[in-house]
Amino acid sequence: NAGVTQTPKFQVLKTGQSMTLQCAQDMNHNSMYWYRQDPGMGLRLIYYSASEGTTDKGEVPNGYNVSRLNKREFSLRLESAAPSQTSVYFCASRESGSSYNEQFFGPGTRLTVL
Amino acid sequence: AQTVTQSQPEMSVQEAETVTLSCTYDTSENNYYLFWYKQPPSRQMILVIRQEAYKQQNATENRFSVNFQKAAKSFSLKISDSQLGDTAMYFCAFMNYGGSQGNLIFGKGTKLSVKP
Repeated sequence: NAGVTQTPKFQVLKTGQSMTLQCAQDMNHNSMYWYRQDPGMGLRLIYYSASEGTTDKGEVPNGYNVSRLNKREFSLRLESAAPSQTSVYFCASRESGSSYNEQFFGPGTRLTVL
Repeated sequence: AQTVTQSQPEMSVQEAETVTLSCTYDTSENNYYLFWYKQPPSRQMILVIRQEAYKQQNATENRFSVNFQKAAKSFSLKISDSQLGDTAMYFCAFMNYGGSQGNLIFGKGTKLSVKP
């Protein structure tokens, strides 16, 4: 099992460029998440998907779009990158339900917008 | 809305000694989960320990234990016999019990350095 994988690991963009961050999980989890981590901050939720075909905004959704392509994959798109989007991006997944289920994280993508 | 506060941006401890990291949170919920995550320089988020709010007994995992004070909304992490490999950022996190969202709310983190 690879767990949660993210591509790319590093990316440098120029202001105004677009790109898509890819995330995939092989644990058959229903719920998937995108977080961003800025210096001196904890992780903050951008978007999440409770199940295939549904997505919802988190705390900091502006400037991002997401697609839950299927149960395995959840992508994050920056349509017009801005320097304020320079951050480390983490994807995570968990089995949903009322009881506790651990959230598993990918290795992160370090994005720099010049 | 729930918030998580970690008041110690940085801490250091000598190898083999004990250190306690502080965390307070704010919620109106009665049932929830609390977590401590470790983030070493590799950036990988590693779950250290979790606590269910409905359990009075404090969670322990080997050298890691928590002091959960529900009324005070306090959730500290104690690391005993500190090792060099414990050097990392430590994040306290909160999750509501139940529901379909299940996202984590993080504090800003404490940078722990273990010195030889």
